[in-house]
Amino acid sequence: DAKTTQPTSMDCAEGRAANLPCNHSTISGNEYVYWYRQIHSQGPQYIIHGLKNNETNEMASLIITEDRKSSTLILPHATLRDTAVYYCIVRVDRGSTLGRLYFGRGTQLTVWP
Amino acid sequence: KAGVTQTPRYLIKTRGQQVTLSCSPISGHRSVSWYQQTPGQGLQFLFEYFSETQRNKGNFPGRFSGRQFSNSRSEMNVSTLELGDSALYLCASSLAFNSPLHFGNGTRLTVT
Repeated sequence: DAKTTQPTSMDCAEGRAANLPCNHSTISGNEYVYWYRQIHSQGPQYIIHGLKNNETNEMASLIITEDRKSSTLILPHATLRDTAVYYCIVRVDRGSTLGRLYFGRGTQLTVWP
Repeated sequence: KAGVTQTPRYLIKTRGQQVTLSCSPISGHRSVSWYQQTPGQGLQFLFEYFSETQRNKGNFPGRFSGRQFSNSRSEMNVSTLELGDSALYLCASSLAFNSPLHFGNGTRLTVT
């Protein structure tokens, strides 16, 4: 699976949009981009995923560049509860790797009041 | 719908002992994966089960083992515990291909 690169840490003011970047320059055509977050002492929480089109759900938006070499997770109105480590993962959805995700170190997002 | 449930939440064991951790996946999910999380190594994949068969295994010693039952519930076992096994052990379940993993809140194992 392709490797991802994320900034170690970012911060954001409460109520503002948080834009978390991720580089995945070696991504292949059948790999999806997934985002998870982990709040301290909890398990990772699924946020959103996409292949090449931009995606939006109730939690966030995912913007994938046309060449698919990078993506941005957008939390439109960050709250203090969004403070967490955010992981960007690329994953091939084939049977043998259904449950295997490669987590990097992620980005520590701190939302301040 | 109930989420992934892991028991116990906390566990303290002594070196040399063995431990069994339990995971109940989301209803209908047949794939269960286990991960170890430590401050030094981050989140690392242990193994994955689907329909009672181990389909994938990470780079961990044979002291780490698991199994899955016909109702998709899973257990993992660690024998001859070492201090370095102290970690948060996470279980995740998934419905099917191109479906996200859903994680439990883990079992915090401390080995003294």
